[in-house]
Amino acid sequence: ELKVEQNPLFLSMQEEKNYTIYCNYSTTSDRLYWYRQDPGKSLESLFVLLSNGAVKQEGRLMASLDTKARLSTLHITAAVHDLSATYFCAVDFTSGTYKYIFGTGTRLKVLA
Amino acid sequence: NAGVMQNPRHLVRRRGQEARLRCSPMKGHSHVYWYRQLPEEGLKFMVYLQKENIIDESGMPKERFSAEFPKEGPSILRIQQVVRGDSAAYFCASSPAGEDEQYFGPGTRLTVT
Repeated sequence: ELKVEQNPLFLSMQEEKNYTIYCNYSTTSDRLYWYRQDPGKSLESLFVLLSNGAVKQEGRLMASLDTKARLSTLHITAAVHDLSATYFCAVDFTSGTYKYIFGTGTRLKVLA
Repeated sequence: NAGVMQNPRHLVRRRGQEARLRCSPMKGHSHVYWYRQLPEEGLKFMVYLQKENIIDESGMPKERFSAEFPKEGPSILRIQQVVRGDSAAYFCASSPAGEDEQYFGPGTRLTVT
């Protein structure tokens, strides 16, 4: 079964602290995406990771992919309130049809 | 280049009515995907279409739901005889080709009363 699991599901953190969100998936894939969603809004693309060892950074967010461990991480550095949102990872288990399997989401709340 | 467009953005239907959700892909994109997001959950794949073809509908409920992507015009997700459990946000995504990144629309939020 194709599964994508994220942890933690909820994360409450103080400003200026660092934290990591984990995304594990069940079978081989080398395409992984991170999205941000604000309440009632659509998905905002954050990172596209297409190979083992890929690392991408944008501002206070950094994402990496380890295809052998079937693990991606989204690292938050020195959190600020504006980062409060729900973060999803999605995996494209390429099998001839390109549907994304989404993780359960991590609801992040940064406390001022 | 306009992004993926969906309409309506909000739709209210009474139980038993029909809901029609429309998705216009980005210019140059011929692959369309529909996903459903229930409250407090992640997105779940429903169906993948190319022009005039359903490629994968493994995520579609067997009854009451149908999708099409005609040669001309938007893709349509149709829900017949809606029930309260159909209340959700429905997102459409498009891509130029199957292996390319999908771009998501703003979603249609369906409320069944």
